[in-house]
Amino acid sequence: AQSVTQLDSHVSVSEGTPVLLRCNYSSSYSPSLFWYVQHPNKGLQLLLKYTSAATLVKGINGFEAEFKKSETSFHLTKPSAHMSDAAEYFCVVSDSNDMRFGAGTRLTVKP
Amino acid sequence: DGGITQSPKYLFRKEGQNVTLSCEQNLNHDAMYWYRQDPGQGLRLIYYSQIVNDFQKGDIAEGYSVSREKKESFPLTVTSAQKNPTAFYLCASAYGNTIYFGEGSWLTVV
Repeated sequence: AQSVTQLDSHVSVSEGTPVLLRCNYSSSYSPSLFWYVQHPNKGLQLLLKYTSAATLVKGINGFEAEFKKSETSFHLTKPSAHMSDAAEYFCVVSDSNDMRFGAGTRLTVKP
Repeated sequence: DGGITQSPKYLFRKEGQNVTLSCEQNLNHDAMYWYRQDPGQGLRLIYYSQIVNDFQKGDIAEGYSVSREKKESFPLTVTSAQKNPTAFYLCASAYGNTIYFGEGSWLTVV
């Protein structure tokens, strides 16, 4: 069985400072990994995905994530936070046709 | 256009009643999923189906039932046995590494 753990339920940063949202996974196979963002009262939007190509994945809105197999991690980063980045972020692991969501990390951006 | 359609978007239910949420996809995906999201919490897997006429329980299946009689349809029934049914319900389908989400259904028990 596979699983995903988002290590922080809430992260608060100041505008213009770096963002780090942590995700660890467990999978028996070589998984695909995703980060999704959900803004209040909106649906999920795909930020980026890793599917066994380059380990450093660039996504939309300046986000990127690095797949580290040795650490079973897929942390999401952004060099400089914007107010519009405030949202809920979900890490997802998928192999075959099974996918599991992390519990989510709420990102707060302070002016 | 291909996609996933969930209905209804908003639903009110009296305590003790069963209610069925619809999820239809025209993407020809084998795998379909139902998730529940509560305020301040993440998405939790209720049921999933990887092929027609087969489905498995997820992490919080108690009080829910599903069917998968057709590839394009994966309805979720919230039964009266579900103690806290008020939540946002999200349906998804997947093929390989491609995942599509419905717009979700908001269920409120009154």
